[in-house]
Amino acid sequence: AQSVSQHNHHVILSEAASLELGCNYSYGGTVNLFWYVQYPGQHLQLLLKYFSGDPLVKGIKGFEAEFIKSKFSFNLRKPSVQWSDTAEYFCAVIWFSGGYNKLIFGAGTRLAVHP
Amino acid sequence: DGGITQSPKYLFRKEGQNVTLSCEQNLNHDAMYWYRQDPGQGLRLIYYSQIVNDFQKGDIAEGYSVSREKKESFPLTVTSAQKNPTAFYLCASSIGGFTEAFFGQGTRLTVV
Repeated sequence: AQSVSQHNHHVILSEAASLELGCNYSYGGTVNLFWYVQYPGQHLQLLLKYFSGDPLVKGIKGFEAEFIKSKFSFNLRKPSVQWSDTAEYFCAVIWFSGGYNKLIFGAGTRLAVHP
Repeated sequence: DGGITQSPKYLFRKEGQNVTLSCEQNLNHDAMYWYRQDPGQGLRLIYYSQIVNDFQKGDIAEGYSVSREKKESFPLTVTSAQKNPTAFYLCASSIGGFTEAFFGQGTRLTVV
């Protein structure tokens, strides 16, 4: 079955530290990849997406992610986090199979950034 | 304003009762989804629909039912067969079912 794994459930960082959140998906085939963010009390928002082309994609608020097909990974990075980045981050994958495209999410990573 | 509307925001029901959660979108999106969000488990797919009058089970469809009679509407019924219905439910839609999904504000269901 298709699945998405996020390696870290909770991450605590100080402001200006670098961030990397891991995401792996279960198997290959054609996929579209996403990172979403959920700020406290707000609805899910798209951070960035990858469909094809350059495997290094840039999103909003200084976030970027790298797609490594051989590792089935799509890790999220930010060089220097801010207190306002405190949120929950979700990796999501669409698999294209038989005309039905399931959008599957990982369990999420809660990021707390301390001033 | 274009978007996805879920109603109500909070819902309380007695155990054994069926309850229907509303999801309406005016984005003209073909695909719609229902997820359940529980702490530490992320979003788990309940049902999804890529076109009107067609829908597919997700990973945790047992105890739930849906309909897709209109493009803009995708109501979810939580039946009495769902063993642990108390949760936060999220509806989403996307263009064609292969692009990014847009989410509603969610409905928090509490069954007592």
